[in-house]
Amino acid sequence: EAAVTQSPRNKVAVTGGKVTLSCNQTNNHNNMYWYRQDTGHGLRLIHYSYGAGSTEKGDIPDGYKASRPSQENFSLILELATPSQTSVYFCASGDGLGNTLYFGAGTRLSVL
Amino acid sequence: AQSVTQPDARVTVSEGASLQLRCKYSYSATPYLFWYVQYPRQGLQMLLKYYSGDPVVQGVNGFEAEFSKSDSSFHLRKASVHWSDSAVYFCAVSFANSGTYQRFGTGTKLQVVP
Repeated sequence: EAAVTQSPRNKVAVTGGKVTLSCNQTNNHNNMYWYRQDTGHGLRLIHYSYGAGSTEKGDIPDGYKASRPSQENFSLILELATPSQTSVYFCASGDGLGNTLYFGAGTRLSVL
Repeated sequence: AQSVTQPDARVTVSEGASLQLRCKYSYSATPYLFWYVQYPRQGLQMLLKYYSGDPVVQGVNGFEAEFSKSDSSFHLRKASVHWSDSAVYFCAVSFANSGTYQRFGTGTKLQVVP
């Protein structure tokens, strides 16, 4: 069974603080993705990666950075968190075009 | 503009009744098409996917979807719903000349009532 693990599951941050969301996959997939889920918007792509050392901008990258230090790990970094970044964040892994995405359970982030 | 549209934010169906959840896409190329389900406080799980061949594809738990090129649609169906089907359903697309990522619709929340 494909496995994607996100940490933390819940996070409360202060405005202007730095937040790091972590994702680990044991699927040996090359591709990893960060999405955020908001009511009325569905899932929107923030950053993605094709392998260790690679990061690409998605549809809404402003205010976010990503890091892929290894095949297994993909982090999302909010250098200066803002209340508009309050959301549920999902990490996913996949193995190429047209293939299934495997999602983590999500991180609920509140920025106060 | 390229987009995925799920026009129904909420659908309520009686247990045992049939179900159709609508999805329309707007892309110039033929896309890969997916349906995912999200149960409360969980990530998304794929139900089925389509790229070519028979336009009716079967998925897990009795779900199926039908691709229509003329209508640019990929509607999800189930003949008889169960209370455990209550969840949020997402349609997603990807296509060959824009990377491997998938773009998602806004989701349809399905409530199955007794």
